[in-house]
Amino acid sequence: SQQGEEDPQALSIQEGENATMNCSYKTSINNLQWYRQNSGRGLVHLILIRSNEREKHSGRLRVTLDTSKKSSSLLITASRAADTASYFCATASGTYKYIFGTGTRLKVLA
Amino acid sequence: DAGVIQSPRHEVTEMGQEVTLRCKPISGHNSLFWYRQTMMRGLELLIYFNNNVPIDDSGMPEDRFSAKMPNASFSTLKIQPSEPRDSAVYFCASRPDRVTTDTQYFGPGTRLTVL
Repeated sequence: SQQGEEDPQALSIQEGENATMNCSYKTSINNLQWYRQNSGRGLVHLILIRSNEREKHSGRLRVTLDTSKKSSSLLITASRAADTASYFCATASGTYKYIFGTGTRLKVLA
Repeated sequence: DAGVIQSPRHEVTEMGQEVTLRCKPISGHNSLFWYRQTMMRGLELLIYFNNNVPIDDSGMPEDRFSAKMPNASFSTLKIQPSEPRDSAVYFCASRPDRVTTDTQYFGPGTRLTVL
């Protein structure tokens, strides 16, 4: 199975609500990253959290990392229709090994 | 900054044909990655280049797949002969010096359909 597994697989919320998605992984990591993929497009980097960090913010994004549980969560506050996309976590161990999760499909209804 | 450029964006070919996918990384980036994305297997790393040298090609599924990076501004991924199970979206990503950042920058992808 993949290193990163996102939960839930799909999420549908109303505009203005918060969206939370989770990622679990199996091995030790250097950092964990979250990417967004709009339909038919490439992945766009959102935020990176290092293994010695527990929480990080960027605009409406909040990421937490619990290395003891090998899990991370991404919170998008005050969601907008433009946030509709698939979100992937990627764990980095070593200099180039990135293992991407299965993704969460987020749909924000206007 | 034009970002990572991939061509073609869409490719439809018949089984047995040769397919060549192209990538132009962001200028100044010294790492290049080729990924394949399918519904069943998600995003898989095929090959990693650093300073134009292939470092890890363990993700290349078979000998039918080959990749080259003749210079810092161009890379190709070739499939010969192609098979229907190669149908997927192929992404190229580049990364600057890892000391600076661990962020990858993805191209828009090539959607390959092998009939």
